[in-house]
Amino acid sequence: AQSVTQLGSHVSVSEGALVLLRCNYSSSVPPYLFWYVQYPNQGLQLLLKYTSAATLVKGINGFEAEFKKSETSFHLTKPSAHMSDAAEYFCASRNAGGTSYGKLTFGQGTILTVHP
Amino acid sequence: DAGVTQSPTHLIKTRGQQVTLRCSPISGHKSVSWYQQVLGQGPQFIFQYYEKEERGRGNFPDRFSARQFPNYSSELNVNALLLGDSALYLCASSLGGLEVGVGFFGPGTRLTVL
Repeated sequence: AQSVTQLGSHVSVSEGALVLLRCNYSSSVPPYLFWYVQYPNQGLQLLLKYTSAATLVKGINGFEAEFKKSETSFHLTKPSAHMSDAAEYFCASRNAGGTSYGKLTFGQGTILTVHP
Repeated sequence: DAGVTQSPTHLIKTRGQQVTLRCSPISGHKSVSWYQQVLGQGPQFIFQYYEKEERGRGNFPDRFSARQFPNYSSELNVNALLLGDSALYLCASSLGGLEVGVGFFGPGTRLTVL
């Protein structure tokens, strides 16, 4: 069974500092991977997705993530944090290939706090 | 173009009652998925429907059921509510078929069971 582990339930950075949110997956076959952001009292917004093409994936709002098979990781980064980045971030995986019938497996989430 | 819509926004029920949550996907999307997000946790997959047929089911009891209508909207039903059913219920829509992933979530329905 697939699993997703997000290291660090809370991450705090200063405005302008590097953002690094960690995600590791467990799967016998490299899955498709996703990062979502959730603002308070809202649904999930897709930031970016990896679907076995380029290993460095660029998303919205200046975020990017790099798929590293050898480390089974898909960490999310942003060079310079903005106050508006404060939210909860979820890493998710699903089986590669086939149709979109497969389920998404989510990590526990990481709350990002940005200090002025 | 409207995004995924869900109704109601908030709902308060008591133990043992039944609840129906509704979801309208993005126009043109044929697949709808339901997720349960308990406070402080990541969403958990409940169901996926594509072309009105159930295509996937998560590890939830039979008290949970769903259906998809000809216009691709969907309902999630939960019977005999328990306190532990209190959560944010998210609906997501996708094109279906060979399209990858589930990219579009609705704002959710916050269910409180007293």
